[in-house]
Amino acid sequence: AQSVSQHNHHVILSEAASLELGCNYSYGGTVNLFWYVQYPGQHLQLLLKYFSGDPLVKGIKGFEAEFIKSKFSFNLRKPSVQWSDTAEYFCAVNTNAGKSTFGDGTTLTVKP
Amino acid sequence: DGGITQSPKYLFRKEGQNVTLSCEQNLNHDAMYWYRQDPGQGLRLIYYSQIVNDFQKGDIAEGYSVSREKKESFPLTVTSAQKNPTAFYLCASSMMGEGNKNTEAFFGQGTRLTVV
Repeated sequence: AQSVSQHNHHVILSEAASLELGCNYSYGGTVNLFWYVQYPGQHLQLLLKYFSGDPLVKGIKGFEAEFIKSKFSFNLRKPSVQWSDTAEYFCAVNTNAGKSTFGDGTTLTVKP
Repeated sequence: DGGITQSPKYLFRKEGQNVTLSCEQNLNHDAMYWYRQDPGQGLRLIYYSQIVNDFQKGDIAEGYSVSREKKESFPLTVTSAQKNPTAFYLCASSMMGEGNKNTEAFFGQGTRLTVV
């Protein structure tokens, strides 16, 4: 069965600090990988995605993620966070079985 | 305006009653999903459907049922068998991608169900 594990449940950073959120998945086949963000009071929205090709993908608002196939990981990074990045972040995996699985989410709080 | 519409936004029901949550999309997406979102537990997959008249159980299907009679619609029924139905329910849709792996999901605004 496929699963997604996010390492950090709650991360607190000061503005301008660097961010890395861990995501590992378990599935034997090929996958599409995603990071979604949910700002307070808003819908979930796509931050970035990886389907194939360059394992380093760039998303909106300066976020990027790196797919490391050997580690089954897709970690999210941002060099310098802003107060407006305060949100909940979800890693997700889509498999060739049509199933879409999310991690438990990481709440990021950025202190001004 | 393309998107996913869930209704109602808030729903209250008495214990023991079945309740149906609506989800409609006009994005012409093949795949549709229902998730339950509880604090600290992320989004847990209830049911998903890749094509009309076909759907599969997700990770927490017990006490729920769905139908997919039309491409645009994927209603979820929370039955009296669901032991802890009070939750926030999210519907999503996506396109079928290469290798049968779906592309990114688009989400509705959610329905908050409270059972009293």
